[in-house]
Amino acid sequence: AQTVTQSQPEMSVQEAETVTLSCTYDTSESNYYLFWYKQPPSRQMILVIRQEAYKQQNATENRFSVNFQKAAKSFSLKISDSQLGDTAMYFCASSPGANNLFFGTGTRLTVIP
Amino acid sequence: GAVVSQHPSRVICKSGTSVKIECRSLDFQATTMFWYRQFPKQSLMLMATSNEGSKATYEQGVEKDKFLINHASLTLSTLTVTSAHPEDSSFYICSVRRGKLNSPLHFGNGTRLTVT
Repeated sequence: AQTVTQSQPEMSVQEAETVTLSCTYDTSESNYYLFWYKQPPSRQMILVIRQEAYKQQNATENRFSVNFQKAAKSFSLKISDSQLGDTAMYFCASSPGANNLFFGTGTRLTVIP
Repeated sequence: GAVVSQHPSRVICKSGTSVKIECRSLDFQATTMFWYRQFPKQSLMLMATSNEGSKATYEQGVEKDKFLINHASLTLSTLTVTSAHPEDSSFYICSVRRGKLNSPLHFGNGTRLTVT
């Protein structure tokens, strides 16, 4: 069974500050991928960043970076220089070698001006 | 630009009627599409995997006869909610994998279904 846990239902951050969203997962697969998706009020799911489990180097996309701790099965998302447009639901997801994604319950992030 | 088009974005129907939702991949051929359901303030739950030219694969607990999936071409999958009930009211999202296994999913804009 695949499970993805996001323990922070809601978070807020001041504009221009940094925030970290937590995610832990459980998988028995040896090769898998991890993703962070953003869902703004429009409900469109937008890929933020992805990490391949066999790569030790943490993925980075502009202001977004991850802290991937494979042994701990942890995959946190750090957003630097937060912007108002970052306000959204953030979902952590795992793809354990199968076709589909398993999503966490999400973290609602609010960026405060 | 958009990779996946989903239609309609909103639909209201009466109990007992059927509703069809379309999901199109816009600039590539998709042998597999995924249908998710999202209840308010909850996560996305995979309902079924739509396979072009063959039967869909349903997740445990999803009624095949209620949620009919047809993937007749490489660019179109449809989800039909049959004999809709108020408890079927939800947000339905399709997604497509463009590329190799484990490449990111591209999502449609979703369909908000309200059954009265």
